Amino acid sequence: DAKTTQPTSMDCAEGRAANLPCNHSTISGNEYVYWYRQIHSQGPQYIIHGLKNNETNEMASLIITEDRKSSTLILPHATLRDTAVYYCIVRGSNYKLTFGKGTLLTVNP
Amino acid sequence: GAGVSQSPRYKVAKRGQDVALRCDPISGHVSLFWYQQALGQGPEFLTYFQNEAQLDKSGLPSDRFFAERPEGSVSTLKIQRTQQEDSAVYLCASRPTTGGEGGYTFGSGTRLTVV
Repeated sequence: DAKTTQPTSMDCAEGRAANLPCNHSTISGNEYVYWYRQIHSQGPQYIIHGLKNNETNEMASLIITEDRKSSTLILPHATLRDTAVYYCIVRGSNYKLTFGKGTLLTVNP
Repeated sequence: GAGVSQSPRYKVAKRGQDVALRCDPISGHVSLFWYQQALGQGPEFLTYFQNEAQLDKSGLPSDRFFAERPEGSVSTLKIQRTQQEDSAVYLCASRPTTGGEGGYTFGSGTRLTVV
């Protein structure tokens, strides 16, 4: 599976949109981009995934560039409860999820 | 139940003691995974089951680690002769199928501290 690069940490004001970037320049055509988050003392929580089209669900939106080499997770109206480590993962046919260190998003009041 | 359940939530073991960690996946989920998460790191893959078959144990760090899922539902991760470096959160995840796009559901983990 392709490697991903994420910033170590980000800050966001409560009520504003949080935009979390991820680079995956070696992604293959059949590999999906997955986002998970991990709130302190909990297991990772699935957020969203996509292949090439932008995706939206009740939690977030996922924007994938046309060349698929990067993506952005958007939390439209961040709340204090969105403070967590966010993991961007590229997964193909391999059943494993390979986690990096993720981005620590801190939402400030 | 509605989610993946792990027990115990916390475990303190003396060095050299054997421990057993339990995972109850979502009912009917075929795939089950164990991950190890050290402090400040992302989860790392340990082993994978498809029903009762352990198809991948490449992530188990030593032969002191053993996992089983005898009836294809509940799984147990056993660590023999625990060492301080085994201190970590052990996460279990399940998913309904073996392939496809779907997400994985994780439990809250068992925090193991070896003293």
